[in-house]
Amino acid sequence: DAKTTQPPSMDCAEGRAANLPCNHSTISGNEYVYWYRQIHSQGPQYIIHGLKNNETNEMASLIITEDRKSSTLILPHATLRDTAVYYCIVRVEGSQGNLIFGKGTKLSVKP
Amino acid sequence: NAGVMQNPRHLVRRRGQEARLRCSPMKGHSHVYWYRQLPEEGLKFMVYLQKENIIDESGMPKERFSAEFPKEGPSILRIQQVVRGDSAAYFCASSPYPDRNEQFFGPGTRLTVL
Repeated sequence: DAKTTQPPSMDCAEGRAANLPCNHSTISGNEYVYWYRQIHSQGPQYIIHGLKNNETNEMASLIITEDRKSSTLILPHATLRDTAVYYCIVRVEGSQGNLIFGKGTKLSVKP
Repeated sequence: NAGVMQNPRHLVRRRGQEARLRCSPMKGHSHVYWYRQLPEEGLKFMVYLQKENIIDESGMPKERFSAEFPKEGPSILRIQQVVRGDSAAYFCASSPYPDRNEQFFGPGTRLTVL
């Protein structure tokens, strides 16, 4: 599985958009980009995933660059409850087995 | 539809005792994964099971740790002769299909070894 690089921490003002970047320059053509988050002391929560087109759901939007070497997770209106560690994971969708979590980005949403 | 359930939520053991952690996957899910999170660290994969089968145990320590997922009942992660270094949060996740990377996580069991 390809490796990802994320900033260790970010701050965001409550009500503003939070843009979390992820670099995955060695991603393969059949690997998807997945985002999970872990709110303090809870189990990780799936957010969104995509291959090459931008994706949006009720939680977030995922923007993947045309060359697929990087992506951005966007929380359009961050709230205090979005404070969490956000993990970017790349993986072949058809593969079975475990998720590989890196260190992620600690997002702090401030009032 | 209840989510992934884990119990106990908190478990305290003395060195040398056994710890049993239970995980009930979401209804209809037959694939279970166990992860461990040491204090201030990321999640590390331990083992992947389907009903009555261990598919991948590459992340399990070679000694003292075992896991099962019987035909009936929850998945069990068993740690024998616990040591202080086993203190961690243990998370279970389930998925309905082997090739889906959308895994649903439980709330975790926090094991403290005195």
